[in-house]
Amino acid sequence: ETGVTQTPRHLVMGMTNKKSLKCEQHLGHNAMYWYKQSAKKPLELMFVYNFKEQTENNSVPSRFSPECPNSSHLFLHLHTLQPEDSALYLCASSLEGSGGRYEQYFGPGTRLTVT
Amino acid sequence: DQQVKQNSPSLSVQEGRISILNCDYTNSMFDYFLWYKKYPAEGPTFLISISSIKDKNEDGRFTVFLNKSAKHLSLHIVPSQPGDSAVYFCAASYSFGNEKLTFGTGTRLTIIP
Repeated sequence: ETGVTQTPRHLVMGMTNKKSLKCEQHLGHNAMYWYKQSAKKPLELMFVYNFKEQTENNSVPSRFSPECPNSSHLFLHLHTLQPEDSALYLCASSLEGSGGRYEQYFGPGTRLTVT
Repeated sequence: DQQVKQNSPSLSVQEGRISILNCDYTNSMFDYFLWYKKYPAEGPTFLISISSIKDKNEDGRFTVFLNKSAKHLSLHIVPSQPGDSAVYFCAASYSFGNEKLTFGTGTRLTIIP
């Protein structure tokens, strides 16, 4: 596999369920990101991991819990979500330390529906 | 408060003509700007970028123009092709070790054959 992969691609979960989203990058990058895209809204940055350390938590509710075990893998653990959390969740990676002039590479996203 | 704005949610252009997508920003600290393109069921893919020290960057059919005084940038695609039909996102960032990208809401471009 190349690039940034995300699983599952679609997820339907009840408000009491616990599930996890997985992201894997095969680009040798050292920074990974979770974004949320809701209808008619810009992509919202949720979390940033740089060299496996969380460097940004953009005021995300605690029902979203990220995990970055190494620089190639990123998880988003979900529990007791609300219907308004239904959205497209995108993972991205980039190469930090390259003079700040980089682009982020995105995965295809997980379409999450909370019922 | 939205710091990056794309005021046109959609745009239709005849094949072969020029497509112009616009983006405005409010944060004067932004010094690097990017355009991403997104097809349905795929993640956004990087298209072209520009640093604030430049006012134009060209890559094949794609040119990005930056007007710092107006806090405005635009993406020109010429000639437009059917494969250019997608949603285009403008994004901005600033230096000093900050990796955050701030995105606009996107413009859906439809190329009419």
